[in-house]
Amino acid sequence: SQQGEEDPQALSIQEGENATMNCSYKTSINNLQWYRQNSGRGLVHLILIRSNEREKHSGRLRVTLDTSKKSSSLLITASRAADTASYFCATDWTNAGKSTFGDGTTLTVKP
Amino acid sequence: GAGVSQSPRYKVAKRGQDVALRCDPISGHVSLFWYQQALGQGPEFLTYFQNEAQLDKSGLPSDRFFAERPEGSVSTLKIQRTQQEDSAVYLCASSFDRGYEQYFGPGTRLTVT
Repeated sequence: SQQGEEDPQALSIQEGENATMNCSYKTSINNLQWYRQNSGRGLVHLILIRSNEREKHSGRLRVTLDTSKKSSSLLITASRAADTASYFCATDWTNAGKSTFGDGTTLTVKP
Repeated sequence: GAGVSQSPRYKVAKRGQDVALRCDPISGHVSLFWYQQALGQGPEFLTYFQNEAQLDKSGLPSDRFFAERPEGSVSTLKIQRTQQEDSAVYLCASSFDRGYEQYFGPGTRLTVT
């Protein structure tokens, strides 16, 4: 399977702590995207990182990509209760642009 | 600007009925994707359009599923003779072009009874 797999499946932290989620995949990719999904809602795009990039930042979010290890990580700094959600990585491994999703990491931030 | 919209948001169908799910992508977005999401899982790719051309339909689960985008904008996913296993959230996403960020709509939750 080309599917990205997130690790851990579930993560529970206190408000103010940092949260790190990992994504591993199996074949070379064109880009990797991270999404957030609140319960019962649609997916919100967070960051896209291309295969020739190693790190990207957006506000409290930091994404790294290690193509040699076929892995990516999403770091959320100074977490807030509002960050409670499921986080998915999606890999684009074709030139068509379609993405393959993992089953996500469920993050719970306790106030 | 307006995001991706989908209608209806919720659909209950009796087994055997046909349903049609609509997606309005972000204006100007060339690429449009349909995904199926089961409870507790990540979205699964169904099909992909580049303008009006359906370039990949490898994810459609059976020939009961059909998608179209006749004018390269609005898309419709049709499911014929619905079965209980079709119950899921159907997500539509659009992007400026292939390889760019995909923006998702809120989804249509289909329940087949």
